[in-house]
Amino acid sequence: DGGITQSPKYLFRKEGQNVTLSCEQNLNHDAMYWYRQDPGQGLRLIYYSQIVNDFQKGDIAEGYSVSREKKESFPLTVTSAQKNPTAFYLCASSASGAGMRMGYQPQHFGDGTRLSIL
Amino acid sequence: AQKITQTQPGMFVQEKEAVTLDCTYDTSDPSYGLFWYKQPSSGEMIFLIYQGSYDQQNATEGRYSLNFQKARKSANLVISASQLGDSAMYFCAMRGNTGNQFYFGTGTSLTVIP
Repeated sequence: DGGITQSPKYLFRKEGQNVTLSCEQNLNHDAMYWYRQDPGQGLRLIYYSQIVNDFQKGDIAEGYSVSREKKESFPLTVTSAQKNPTAFYLCASSASGAGMRMGYQPQHFGDGTRLSIL
Repeated sequence: AQKITQTQPGMFVQEKEAVTLDCTYDTSDPSYGLFWYKQPSSGEMIFLIYQGSYDQQNATEGRYSLNFQKARKSANLVISASQLGDSAMYFCAMRGNTGNQFYFGTGTSLTVIP
């Protein structure tokens, strides 16, 4: 079945450590996204990528890094510079392009990764 | 600038009753798409319904319908015959026709009472 796979489901980070969250999609989508969600809050955009080897910062990119070497994969690294990383992280993808003729395709989401500090 | 506003942090509805979740938006794009997502306590985001700004009719998907009023820039979600499993957070989102960014509201927490 087509979809988005995030791993791991739960992740623990030690002080000063970088950790990487995996996101893989087999929907053949060009665009991929990372969001952070704090308890009881909405989604905040960390990074997004519209095409391989290109990505843009979102609203809260500081302390995070991404790569997009393959269309299917968009891993997120939470660096030691991110002092408050405890949150729920959601990866999403969507078909690229939008407009009156093409319609507007929704985002499809993975099941998320819960990151905590040890 | 694109903006989505959901003014109801929490809502309660009796089982089997209908409920309306409010969403207003602001955009300068000539055309755009509006979406509603459901997020149960387990965390996954489930796509519910979509409305294109140029669509003449309101979207419907089973028990979900979208009350789209373009002039008022509102896209309210109506859930008919509420079920206990409808208890969740609901997010309204918008996608414009420039770039691939989506804009989300802050969400409404819906609780269905037996």
